[in-house]
Amino acid sequence: KAGVTQTPRYLIKTRGQQVTLSCSPISGHRSVSWYQQTPGQGLQFLFEYFSETQRNKGNFPGRFSGRQFSNSRSEMNVSTLELGDSALYLCASSLVLGGAGMDEQFFGPGTRLTVL
Amino acid sequence: AQSVTQPDIHITVSEGASLELRCNYSYGATPYLFWYVQSPGQGLQLLLKYFSGDTLVQGIKGFEAEFKRSQSSFNLRKPSVHWSDAAEYFCAVGARTNAGKSTFGDGTTLTVKP
Repeated sequence: KAGVTQTPRYLIKTRGQQVTLSCSPISGHRSVSWYQQTPGQGLQFLFEYFSETQRNKGNFPGRFSGRQFSNSRSEMNVSTLELGDSALYLCASSLVLGGAGMDEQFFGPGTRLTVL
Repeated sequence: AQSVTQPDIHITVSEGASLELRCNYSYGATPYLFWYVQSPGQGLQLLLKYFSGDTLVQGIKGFEAEFKRSQSSFNLRKPSVHWSDAAEYFCAVGARTNAGKSTFGDGTTLTVKP
């Protein structure tokens, strides 16, 4: 089975721009979570989607948004980029049978976003 | 609220020596506990998990961890470290009622001396 894939792997943007990152979960997985990883703040939870619905979100400003499609693929968008948004963005998928809240998460390789 | 503390930022061990990485968590109900490993520039790989049952959990690459509810700990151990184990290790806590969210510790960087 193919693992979690994220595209693009690397991205360079300038302040004020917006960016869209994509995540394809493992086949059959319906839950997708997004995390931001920075040296200063570590791994921070952004949000989780299940069956196209956001079930949970972390403490990030509204500039960070996401969505999930019917095939469980997910995108996250960051608008009006700031220097502090430079980070590794990780996507994780889970099987969550029966719509359970939590299960083992499988992580993708991440998208490295650099904001200049 | 969920929280995780990894007291050791950096640990150095000699190849062949034993390893223990500490993890303390805070969560009111029964936690879901995880240990992940991350190599530079890579994503996270799950080493092992605890949801319920036997408190001694076996994982991949020869790692094990023991859940101690009374101490709110979930320490990771390996009897004999290999040079390829050098990486950053993260402990994480989740909950059935907190959809899709794992809360991570700050990580412990492991250096292996030849």
